[in-house]
Amino acid sequence: DTAVSQTPKYLVTQMGNDKSIKCEQNLGHDTMYWYKQDSKKFLKIMFSYNNKELIINETVPNRFSPKSPDKAHLNLHINSLELGDSAVYFCASSQDNYSNEKLFFGSGTQLSVL
Amino acid sequence: GQQLNQSPQSMFIQEGEDVSMNCTSSSIFNTWLWYKQDPGEGPVLLIALYKAGELTSNGRLTAQFGITRKDSFLNISASIPSDVGIYFCAGLEGGSYIPTFGRGTSLIVHP
Repeated sequence: DTAVSQTPKYLVTQMGNDKSIKCEQNLGHDTMYWYKQDSKKFLKIMFSYNNKELIINETVPNRFSPKSPDKAHLNLHINSLELGDSAVYFCASSQDNYSNEKLFFGSGTQLSVL
Repeated sequence: GQQLNQSPQSMFIQEGEDVSMNCTSSSIFNTWLWYKQDPGEGPVLLIALYKAGELTSNGRLTAQFGITRKDSFLNISASIPSDVGIYFCAGLEGGSYIPTFGRGTSLIVHP
């Protein structure tokens, strides 16, 4: 069983479109995250949710809107996609907000905006 | 924000060689972490370090938390082809709940 699973694995779309990435964890963790990895492999946190509540919102354009229907799911919706949004997006989870050195990552969604 | 300097940026080695990489910061960290990212996958935690001077092993991997609390290194002994990947250091400052990641060391092992 995959601990943190995200779909789709690959996403190719045109500029201006709206797209969503879904994430689910079956670890029973309280905290979930979205990270963005750019072409130089730099990992940058975007959002963090603890038990369905937003606790971290880094400087991310408001075209990005996370949604957590329950603590096992954290989805990412992106409006009006731009070329610069092309990257690999990773979902992750941790036991709680205080154990986030032990992050469990999904296998990533490679987003290509044409 | 805090930045971590991770070096080297990339390494090309022969199977069987030992590898060493390190990470430095300008401020003190309470926790140092080492992750590995296989191609096409997400990072996986290898080793977590919580005390200055701590030396921890995980199989052929050994990591140390620097005495000054501003650096850490990771050694891999007798490398094998499946060691290929990107190794990330990450650190947690006091009072912070979000680790800062280094820019990664890309390791290629030639059989």
